Amino acid sequence: AQSVTQPDIHITVSEGASLELRCNYSYGATPYLFWYVQSPGQGLQLLLKYFSGDTLVQGIKGFEAEFKRSQSSFNLRKPSVHWSDAAEYFCAALTGNQFYFGTGTSLTVIP
Amino acid sequence: DADVTQTPRNRITKTGKRIMLECSQTKGHDRMYWYRQDPGLGLRLIYYSFDVKDINKGEISDGYSVSRQAQAKFSLSLESAIPNQTALYFCATSDLAGNEQFFGPGTRLTVL
Repeated sequence: AQSVTQPDIHITVSEGASLELRCNYSYGATPYLFWYVQSPGQGLQLLLKYFSGDTLVQGIKGFEAEFKRSQSSFNLRKPSVHWSDAAEYFCAALTGNQFYFGTGTSLTVIP
Repeated sequence: DADVTQTPRNRITKTGKRIMLECSQTKGHDRMYWYRQDPGLGLRLIYYSFDVKDINKGEISDGYSVSRQAQAKFSLSLESAIPNQTALYFCATSDLAGNEQFFGPGTRLTVL
């Protein structure tokens, strides 16, 4: 079945530490891939997207993601987390005109 | 002004009531979507529309209906609300290429 998997339901990191959020997809062909962030009480905001080409994509707020075809992964990274990064993060895939979302990873940032 | 707006932002209703959630957009996009978000389940697609005359069921359309009144407006109805429809509902839009979605702020619906 087609799916987007985010294996980590919740992650806690210290401010200033590095961050990696995992995302795996299961589709026959490489879908378009996205990372969204949802702050409390807000809608979803696009962080970055991958369609083709360079497998390392840069996004807003200092985030980047790397597409690895061999691992069917599209992990989100940030070298140094800020307290304002605390939010819910969703990985999504676009295939066949529909978007499919992962279940989300909740990020807590501790001082 | 926000590009995608949803009304109401919060709604509490009782079982069996008819509820309509409205979405308007100023982005000029043809494609519009309704999702529901539940804790631990992420976003699930309810309905989507690629133009005014096009309506498609998503993953979880049972118990819901939609109306695309104009390019800019896409409404979601719960004909007879039930408690397990308590959720956060999001409207989204995308252009013809469909390569990115833009989300509204969400409507929190509680069915008692």
